[in-house]
Amino acid sequence: EVQLVESGGGLIQPGGSLRLSCAASGFTVSNNYMSWVRRAPGKGLEWVSLIYSTGSTYYADSVKGRFTISRDTSRNTLFLQMNSLRAEDTAVYYCARYSVLMTGLDNWGQGALVTVSS
Amino acid sequence: QSALTQPASVSGSPGQSITISCTGTSNDVGGHNFVSWYQQHPDKAPKLLIHDVSDRPSGVSFRFSGSKSGNTASLTISGLQAEDEADYFCASYRDTNTPVIFGGGTKLTVL
Repeated sequence: EVQLVESGGGLIQPGGSLRLSCAASGFTVSNNYMSWVRRAPGKGLEWVSLIYSTGSTYYADSVKGRFTISRDTSRNTLFLQMNSLRAEDTAVYYCARYSVLMTGLDNWGQGALVTVSS
Repeated sequence: QSALTQPASVSGSPGQSITISCTGTSNDVGGHNFVSWYQQHPDKAPKLLIHDVSDRPSGVSFRFSGSKSGNTASLTISGLQAEDEADYFCASYRDTNTPVIFGGGTKLTVL
């Protein structure tokens, strides 16, 4: 069974840093496309970042230069390093697998809440 | 990276059918058959309902169907049920730099 479990969320001051983790089971992270998606309070879903199986990474303009997506093959885990956090980054962050077979985000974690506030 | 355009809300009575539209451009919705739809209940993770415009993953009810015409994709829910009340989001591939772009979301109310 495919499972994704996020951790690392919390309250952080503006300008601070936080690293989210997404532990995967039931499949191999490095063989798949993996993505981070967020939903801010009262807003819709926003794609944040994606890492291809090749290791190529892409980011939304809103986080480019501040966020870094990465993976650890030995731990079968996806990460999102978030620096220079702003109030507008406050959201629930989801990791998700991007299926090339179904061309969509077919499995999602339960989400991790990140609150940026002083 | 402008979002795809969806109506903010739709409503329907149990048993009825509703359709949610998702309008993009020739660079995303109109240029690829990589449109997907997601359902999200409050405080839950999104769930993939439709992929590749009109295909349903295993386990998704036949009451959910998708289609596309030009730059507009549509999700139709037939035989509305109370548990269908949720937020619905469309998404499309745009290009290598923007592999996923979401619509603004539509809140479905079952009257």
